[in-house]
Amino acid sequence: GDSVTQMEGPVTLSEEAFLTINCTYTATGYPSLFWYVQYPGEGLQLLLKATKADDKGSNKGFEATYRKETTSFHLEKGSVQVSDSAVYFCALRSRGGSQGNLIFGKGTKLSVKP
Amino acid sequence: ETGVTQTPRHLVMGMTNKKSLKCEQHLGHNAMYWYKQSAKKPLELMFVYNFKEQTENNSVPSRFSPECPNSSHLFLHLHTLQPEDSALYLCASSQDEGLGGYTFGSGTRLTVV
Repeated sequence: GDSVTQMEGPVTLSEEAFLTINCTYTATGYPSLFWYVQYPGEGLQLLLKATKADDKGSNKGFEATYRKETTSFHLEKGSVQVSDSAVYFCALRSRGGSQGNLIFGKGTKLSVKP
Repeated sequence: ETGVTQTPRHLVMGMTNKKSLKCEQHLGHNAMYWYKQSAKKPLELMFVYNFKEQTENNSVPSRFSPECPNSSHLFLHLHTLQPEDSALYLCASSQDEGLGGYTFGSGTRLTVV
């Protein structure tokens, strides 16, 4: 079945460091790929998405490129801030309708120190 | 504000109580979901409704009872819960068709005492 694997956390970085959170997937067909972010005490918010191979999703300085050849969708940011501290979830959806639900990775907790 | 509103934000209930969680969306979506998020565990999909019809129940105990009276509202009725049911309960909605993502509410933090 479809699945998402993302790097185990927690990840601790200093402010202005470069961030990469790895995400790989297994899916039938051509899924849409997503990154969600969850700030402390909040629900999940869509951070960015890509719907086809080679698409790059971007938002708030974060980027991820849909790589079909490596089945990956790694999240990157060039210079993290303390306010980026949160849990990040990679997700995919390979089928629409009642047959296809969003599949989430386990989440990666990021802590950014000043 | 994401467009999906959950109430209450926090709830403390005894094991013999009956309470309900409410979720409301006015995004024109026709699918709604309940998730459970416990500490140090992956997100657990509990229930799925498409066009008000329940299409998925992931082996959730009967002490959790969902209700979807229309495509904008979703409830989770709770009764005789256990302490291990304490968690963040998240509601989400989406368009049924296509491969779009979900819009989540802020969640209800439930504590069972």
